[in-house]
Amino acid sequence: EAQVTQNPRYLITVTGKKLTVTCSQNMNHEYMSWYRQDPGLGLRQIYYSMNVEVTDKGDVPEGYKVSRKEKRNFPLILESPSPNQTSLYFCASSSGPDVGELFFGEGSRLTVL
Amino acid sequence: GQNIDQPTEMTATEGAIVQINCTYQTSGFNGLFWYQQHAGEAPTFLSYNVLDGLEEKGRFSSFLSRSKGYSYLLLKELQMKDSASYLCAVIYNQGGKLIFGQGTELSVKP
Repeated sequence: EAQVTQNPRYLITVTGKKLTVTCSQNMNHEYMSWYRQDPGLGLRQIYYSMNVEVTDKGDVPEGYKVSRKEKRNFPLILESPSPNQTSLYFCASSSGPDVGELFFGEGSRLTVL
Repeated sequence: GQNIDQPTEMTATEGAIVQINCTYQTSGFNGLFWYQQHAGEAPTFLSYNVLDGLEEKGRFSSFLSRSKGYSYLLLKELQMKDSASYLCAVIYNQGGKLIFGQGTELSVKP
């Protein structure tokens, strides 16, 4: 089954404790991206990757890092999480950003205390 | 910035037709998406418009006018399950930057 898988789905952590949210897709997609969703602000792009070893900042990259060492994986790293990073995070992938459907993972709800 | 504007909330009656508008800045425009998102779930793809005109897909249609920076999503024969948030998103500058509007929360009432 074609899918985008994120882990963990839910996480409560404390300020400053490094964490990684993994994202994996099995559709051989070149384009992958991360978003956060907050009430009243909609979905905002954090980082995106056009292909392996090619990443770029979205609208809200501060406090986040990403890597794209393999085509299928695009982890989101929070080196020193802060409470303002409490949010619902979505990973998504597609064949290319302007070729059609973007497939989303189920989301990861992160709470930073 | 590249703002995407859409109404925050709309209410419609089961069986009716509703049109959700989206306006965006035209400079660098590459394409426009519509997504549906039910509460607590991931967004699901509805349509992708690159050229001007209307594209119909079952009960849902999407329209684009590139010169006006305007799109709408038309939902016909509304059903209760259509109650959801509808997200408009634009790709700019042939790159990977995707900008979403805040979403329109649609409530369908009996």
